[in-house]
Amino acid sequence: QVRLQESGPGLVKPSQTLSLTCTVSGGSLNSSTYYWSWIRQPAGKGLEWIGRIYTSGTTSYNPSLKSRVSMSVDTSKDQISLKLNSVTAADTAVYYCAGAVARIFYIWGQGIMVTVSS
Amino acid sequence: DIQMTQSPTSLSASLGDRVTITCRASQSISTYLNWYQQKPGKAPKLLIYAASSLHSGVPSRFSGSGFGTDFTLTISSLQPEDFATYYCQQSYSTSAFGQGTRLEMK
Repeated sequence: QVRLQESGPGLVKPSQTLSLTCTVSGGSLNSSTYYWSWIRQPAGKGLEWIGRIYTSGTTSYNPSLKSRVSMSVDTSKDQISLKLNSVTAADTAVYYCAGAVARIFYIWGQGIMVTVSS
Repeated sequence: DIQMTQSPTSLSASLGDRVTITCRASQSISTYLNWYQQKPGKAPKLLIYAASSLHSGVPSRFSGSGFGTDFTLTISSLQPEDFATYYCQQSYSTSAFGQGTRLEMK
């Protein structure tokens, strides 16, 4: 059973770069049928898709965040990474990684709370 | 961009009630519509995909229907564990979620 675990700093200063990692266990990235997405949720609000990455490294980003986002994959470590630069308080949220097929999010990590504050 | 609008935004109901939540897309999305359940402090869980297909392990009291722009999620008989927030999501194009429907106990 594939499981996802997000990790990274819980506090990021404004204008800096938010960096998160999602580790896949219970299966390897290379053998998985999923591709991988990041989704975030500000406190008390709805879900926002950030972007996706295939094991090949091909990416697609939400147009509203595209200028600030990058994702990468490390198949040797079974990890997917997210970087969001020039963060502001509006980027404070719980960040989830999720495994998807055809834009259906079948599996989710537990999420990690990231606060942007000085 | 395709916008998803759920109604109601909140709903109070009692155990055993039949509950229906509606999701409307700003343009036709065929049956590319999925439903998720989220409990406080937890990640969302997939309930229904492709408008009406029940995800593995999801109780049969959950059902979905719809095509084009109008979709519904129905819980036939509310159980204690069903009180949660429900989100629809279109998978026709760049993923977009509805704003959520909070289901509370009356």
